[in-house]
Formats: sequence, C-alpha cells, structure tokens
Amino acid sequence: QKEVEQDPGPLSVPEGAIVSLNCTYSNSAFQYFMWYRQYSRKGPELLMYTYSSGNKEDGRFTAQVDKSSKYISLFIRDSQPSDSATYLCATLTQGGSEKLVFGKGTKLTVNP
Amino acid sequence: DAGITQSPRYKITETGRQVTLMCHQTWSHSYMFWYRQDLGHGLRLIYYSAAADITDKGEVPDGYVVSRSKTENFPLTLESATRSQTSVYFCASRTSGGASNEQFFGPGTRLTVL
Repeated sequence: QKEVEQDPGPLSVPEGAIVSLNCTYSNSAFQYFMWYRQYSRKGPELLMYTYSSGNKEDGRFTAQVDKSSKYISLFIRDSQPSDSATYLCATLTQGGSEKLVFGKGTKLTVNP
Repeated sequence: DAGITQSPRYKITETGRQVTLMCHQTWSHSYMFWYRQDLGHGLRLIYYSAAADITDKGEVPDGYVVSRSKTENFPLTLESATRSQTSVYFCASRTSGGASNEQFFGPGTRLTVL
C-alpha cells in the first residue's frame, strides 16, 4: 500500500460548483499536510499547508485533516475555470526526514 | 533571475547516452530535490541533498547520479539513458527549518529517450 493514496480523477465540474478533493494516508507519524497545485506544463506550487488535525481556510480554499481516520481534504468553493489544474496532496513527518510523500494528484477541470 | 531554474527544458536523447539535467537556485536553500513525474505514478523522489556534498537516495534512484559541490546547483545525471527514464523531471528546493516545509519547484525538464 502506498503511503498516500489519492484518486487521480479526472474530475470535471461546472463553474461555481463546490469541489472536494481527498487523500488517505497510512503512516500515523505524518504531522504536516500540504496541498500543491500544478498547472499544465508547470511545476507544482504550494497552495495550502496545515499542521496536525483541523481546518484551515484561505479564501475559497479550505484544507481539512482528520488524523483519526487518516483523511486529508481540500474544498474549493465557487470554483472557477482558473482552478483547473492537478492538485497533489503531500505529507511529512515531524522532526524526521525532509522527504515529502506525495499523492498521485487529481486532475480538475472547471467548465465555464 | 531569482528563483529556481532548470535546463534544458526539453531534451531528446537516445538509449545508452549520458544526459545531465541542470538545476540552479538563487535562494541559498539548504535542501534540494529531484523528482520524476509519470502518469499513474505521480511525483517520485529520485535523490535529495541536505547541503553541499551531502546527498541521499529517494524512492527511485537506480540509473541516476547526483552531485552537489555548490549550494546553488544540483545536477542530475542519467549515466546510460533507458526508455523507462522518459519522464518529466522536477527540481525543488527548500530552506532548513521553517513552519511550512514548503518546497519550491522548478519548471521541469521534459526528457524523451528514444
């Protein structure tokens, strides 16, 4: 079993929809949780970052971590065509290796 | 230019040839990373470096060699390219410490091995 599992999609939604992107992980030592966004033919860039459990909101984006079920979510409200990208979840242990563990990424298309 | 750059952006080579992909960052970040990204596999770590002259293997190091004589440069060499090494290669860097653990990625190199 891969340490981080992510449904690759693709996911296609109409403009204005609420989008839910999800990952599960297996290592309970993971403490840092990130979402990267990758536009076509570009490098990934950090979108959201959370430490341990809970929610974090940034504009239309909300990152949620449920450590009891080892579940990571990213919600996008009022989705826009400019949100069309691949979204990758990533995790990291605290005080351990500097190596991020990535999910495979979910490709999202928001249709105008 | 400030940031992280990769060269070449596109490369076509033949099986058995040696290829070197370059990565340069201007932030003096301690950590640098090489990933490959393939459909169905996502981003996989090839090698990483915690500082100049310190390197370590990632998930898929076979067939690759790295060096880091200067903090700002982290070249990746395919000693004898194979078709299975056709991929998009991303270099990344991050500072040591810091709450976000953010890695900054370069624009990628698309490598095709014929």
